[in-house]
Amino acid sequence: ETGVTQTPRHLVMGMTNKKSLKCEQHLGHNAMYWYKQSAKKPLELMFVYSLEERVENNSVPSRFSPECPNSSHLFLHLHTLQPEDSALYLCASSLGLALTGELFFGEGSRLTVL
Amino acid sequence: GENVEQHPSTLSVQEGDSAVIKCTYSDSASNYFPWYKQELGKGPQLIIDIRSNVGEKKDQRIAVTLNKTAKHFSLHITETQPEDSAVYFCAAAISNFGNEKLTFGTGTRLTIIP
Repeated sequence: ETGVTQTPRHLVMGMTNKKSLKCEQHLGHNAMYWYKQSAKKPLELMFVYSLEERVENNSVPSRFSPECPNSSHLFLHLHTLQPEDSALYLCASSLGLALTGELFFGEGSRLTVL
Repeated sequence: GENVEQHPSTLSVQEGDSAVIKCTYSDSASNYFPWYKQELGKGPQLIIDIRSNVGEKKDQRIAVTLNKTAKHFSLHITETQPEDSAVYFCAAAISNFGNEKLTFGTGTRLTIIP
C-alpha cells in the first residue's frame, strides 16, 4: 500500500458532469498538493495546502475546486470541465511546506473529458 | 520565473551501459535540484537530490552532478538494468522571500534494451 492513495484511478466525464477526485495520505504529513500532468509538459502545480489551509492557487480555473477537510485528506471537485482538462492528476504530500524536501506522490487519477 | 529544460526527451541504452540525462535552469537563485522517477502507472518518486553547496552526489548506481556556473545538472545511471526503464524528471527549487517554487522539466523516457 502506498503512502498516498488516490481514487478513482480512472475517470471519464462529460463536460456538464460534476465529479470529485480523492486523495488520502497515511504518512502524517502536513502539506498536500494537486499537480496536473499532461503529455510532454512539465508537472503543473495547481493547489497547495498546509495544515488544511490553502497557501497557493496557481491561477487555476474555477471549474477546479479543492477541498482539504483535514491534514490527511484532499479533494479536487470538478465541474463543467473542458476536453483540454484531460490529464493525469497527481496528489502529493510532504512533511512540511518547504518544497526543498521530498514530495510523496500518489499513483494519479487519469481524467478524460469528452 | 524559473525555467527548467531537460534533454533528451527519449533515451534508449543497452542493458549494462550508462545513461545520462541533462537539465539546465535559468535562475541562479535555485538551490535545490531533485530527480524523480516515474514508472508506468505510478506516481513520481524521488530518487536523488542535490543542493547547491555540493557539486556531486552518489547513491549506488545513481549520481547527480551540479555545475552552478553553467546552471546545469545531470543524472548519471551506471550499469543500467531493465528496472531503470521509466520517465525521469528533473526539477529546480527557488526560494523567494519564503515562497518556494519547484519547477519541473518535461521528462526523459529512458528505455533499457535487454
